Amino acid sequence: GQNIDQPTEMTATEGAIVQINCTYQTSGFNGLFWYQQHAGEAPTFLSYNVLDGLEEKGRFSSFLSRSKGYSYLLLKELQMKDSASYLCAVRDSNYQLIWGAGTKLIIKP
Amino acid sequence: IAGITQAPTSQILAAGRRMTLRCTQDMRHNAMYWYRQDLGLGLRLIHYSNTAGTTGKGEVPDGYSVSRANTDDFPLTLASAVPSQTSVYFCASSEGANTEAFFGQGTRLTVV
Repeated sequence: GQNIDQPTEMTATEGAIVQINCTYQTSGFNGLFWYQQHAGEAPTFLSYNVLDGLEEKGRFSSFLSRSKGYSYLLLKELQMKDSASYLCAVRDSNYQLIWGAGTKLIIKP
Repeated sequence: IAGITQAPTSQILAAGRRMTLRCTQDMRHNAMYWYRQDLGLGLRLIHYSNTAGTTGKGEVPDGYSVSRANTDDFPLTLASAVPSQTSVYFCASSEGANTEAFFGQGTRLTVV
């Protein structure tokens, strides 16, 4: 079966750095996405990785290792508005997105 | 403002009733999707359409149907609602099968 694993919940302090991990087992791989979802709102796109390595976009970076079936999202200089759920999704061989259950990130002052 | 719009935003529905959730996008995206999101679970694909005139079944299609008569609209119909269909429903669109998806604001549906 296809599976995306991410921690259910994480807590971090404002101004700090946090890393959210995602491991996957899917039938084929055509890219990995990270989305942010604030409570009661729609998911919004953060990043896309299809090749191994680090993609940096402002305070957010995403890393991919296809051989390990592993990705992480790195959030720097955390702000209170970063409190949200972070969803990892993998596009499989049929180009369908397989979603993880999401990681709820709680930021404390 | 360009984007993707869902209606209604929330609905309480009696079991056994028929209901259509509406989804419209003005980005001229080829692909559209319907997901349901339940607490503790990832987004699950119900149906999708890669282009106008075609549709396909996702992971959890039973009890739902869709149509794609044109590029902009992708309605989701529950023929006879059951309590297990209580969920938040998201419509999404993407330019192609390998690009990021944009989501509507969601429809919170409660079947009683």
